[in-house]
Order: sequence, then structure tokens, then C-alpha cells
Amino acid sequence: DVKVTQSSRYLVKRTGEKVFLECVQDMDHENMFWYRQDPGLGLRLIYFSYDVKMKEKGDIPEGYSVSREKKERFSLILESASTNQTSMYLCASSSTSGGADNEQFFGPGTRLTVL
Amino acid sequence: AQKITQTQPGMFVQEKEAVTLDCTYDTSDQSYGLFWYKQPSSGEMIFLIYQGSYDEQNATEGRYSLNFQKARKSANLVISASQLGDSAMYFCAMREKGNFNKFYFGSGTKLNVKP
Repeated sequence: DVKVTQSSRYLVKRTGEKVFLECVQDMDHENMFWYRQDPGLGLRLIYFSYDVKMKEKGDIPEGYSVSREKKERFSLILESASTNQTSMYLCASSSTSGGADNEQFFGPGTRLTVL
Repeated sequence: AQKITQTQPGMFVQEKEAVTLDCTYDTSDQSYGLFWYKQPSSGEMIFLIYQGSYDEQNATEGRYSLNFQKARKSANLVISASQLGDSAMYFCAMREKGNFNKFYFGSGTKLNVKP
């Protein structure tokens, strides 16, 4: 059974803290993605990575950074958490082969609250 | 411009009836893929159905079918014989061959199935 896992389902942090969200996939996918989901806004892409140590900014990268040291692991880092980063964070992965055909596989999500 | 537009923030349907969720897209690529995902209240994103831009037949998966009208750039999801378990958020997404590392998501439609 293919899987994308995220380190926490729920997380509560304080303003100014450094926050790490971890994502691991076991499908040997080249591509990995971090989204945030807010009501009425759908999924917005923060960063994605198409290979180890490679990353590209998505639509809303400000206040975030990422790390991909191994193919299976993609980390999202909030350098100094702020209350407007309270959101649901979804990690996803997909294969490059097959062009446009392959769907993304999602993790269960991390609901982050910043107080 | 929005790549994916879902104009129905919320919908109700009676159990056992069919419902159509609207999705329009914007692309200049000739080759692209269209996806529908379901997100129950638990938060995980579940892949439902895929339509390739060159597929001549509308995609079907069990009770889900995709009404693909290429000239109109619409990819509506049809759920037949609605069940209570179909109550969820539904997202339409697109992936372009010219930029197949990136997925574009709509803002979602919340479907409520009434008993």
C-alpha cells in the first residue's frame, strides 16, 4: 500500500518558534510538494522539489523554507512561526514518468496552530 | 488568471440522486491531465478520477464520471446515486505536460448529502 506520511496530525506552536514539518513517501517518487489549505482558498503551493536537493518556489513561499536531503523525505520549515501561518499543511508526492497522467498522493495533513 | 475555477462553494443533494460538480480550467497546453480529489472531514485527499486531454471517452470510475467538454474547457464531476459518505470537499486539479511538476487546484466544492 503506497504511503505518504507526515510527522504530526496536530501541532501547536508559539509565535517566533522554529517549526519543522516532516513528510516521507515510500513510492520512490521524484516530485514532492508542500501545500497549505485554508477555507475558501483551496490548496496553495508553498514549495516543491523535483529531485534531491532541488527545490522551487510555489505560489506562497514567503515565511517558509524546505529541505530535501533524501529522495523520500521533504521537510517544510517555518523559520519564525506567525499566527497567519495557522493552517492545514498537506504534503504530496508524484512520479515524473508518464507525463501529465500521474496523480499526486497526499499525506494525512498537519493542522498547525500558532498562538 | 485562475487556472482552475470551481464556482460552487457548497451544494446539497438528496441521497440516491445524482449531482454534478462544476470545474472549468484554463491552459494553452495541448496536453494536460485533469483530476478530481475528495477530502472528507478527516482531512486526507483521496484521488477519484483522471481525464487526459487526448482521451476521447469520458472517464468513469464506479459511481464517478467526468463530463469532459474540451472546447468549453470544462471537466465536471458527476456522482451518481449519492451516498451519505459522499459528503466531503471536492477539488478539481490540472497538470500540464509543459510543466508537469506542478498541479493547479480549484478552491473546492463542499457537498452535503441529505438523508
